[in-house]
Amino acid sequence: GENVEQHPSTLSVQEGDSAVIKCTYSDSASNYFPWYKQELGKRPQLIIDIRSNVGEKKDQRIAVTLNKTAKHFSLHITETQPEDSAVYFCAASIRPGGGADGLTFGKGTHLIIQP
Amino acid sequence: DVKVTQSSRYLVKRTGEKVFLECVQDMDHENMFWYRQDPGLGLRLIYFSYDVKMKEKGDIPEGYSVSREKKERFSLILESASTNQTSMYLCASTMGGFSGNTIYFGEGSWLTVV
Repeated sequence: GENVEQHPSTLSVQEGDSAVIKCTYSDSASNYFPWYKQELGKRPQLIIDIRSNVGEKKDQRIAVTLNKTAKHFSLHITETQPEDSAVYFCAASIRPGGGADGLTFGKGTHLIIQP
Repeated sequence: DVKVTQSSRYLVKRTGEKVFLECVQDMDHENMFWYRQDPGLGLRLIYFSYDVKMKEKGDIPEGYSVSREKKERFSLILESASTNQTSMYLCASTMGGFSGNTIYFGEGSWLTVV
């Protein structure tokens, strides 16, 4: 099955700086890559996703890049703010939206924004 | 507004007890999932269901079973709870098909087995 590796496990950045979280996946058939943000005590929520026919997608301060050849994708957050502090999970699936097989998640990155 | 509801947020159970975790979604989604979340391990898929009365094993099904008698309800069952099942359990759902639908999560159920 699919295996998703996520790095780093903890990332501390100064407010206003950029943060980058990286993930690799093993199954070349995977074609859907969402990112979830989970604030303390809350449910994971989708923040951005990308499909394999696209190399980059941006939504305001958040962007995701995908390198299919190398089988890795990254989350980029620019001009970080205190409310960006959370645990971020990457995931991969061969079915957009997870389909009936669900998503395979990375182990998460705890992003800490230092004031 | 999309809603996935887990009826029990916090439970404390004794070793050997039978535990039911209930999940209801109001979006008429075909697919429902149960994940387990542990620090440093991320979210791991326990079971999923793509239709009423249908179920498939995920990555860590041992010690668990599920029930889907109605489309909107997906239950996770621990037949005989053990301390290593102390965890946070997340239910999720998504529309069926290949149209790139988002997975929606419930708020989570924190289970402590003593």
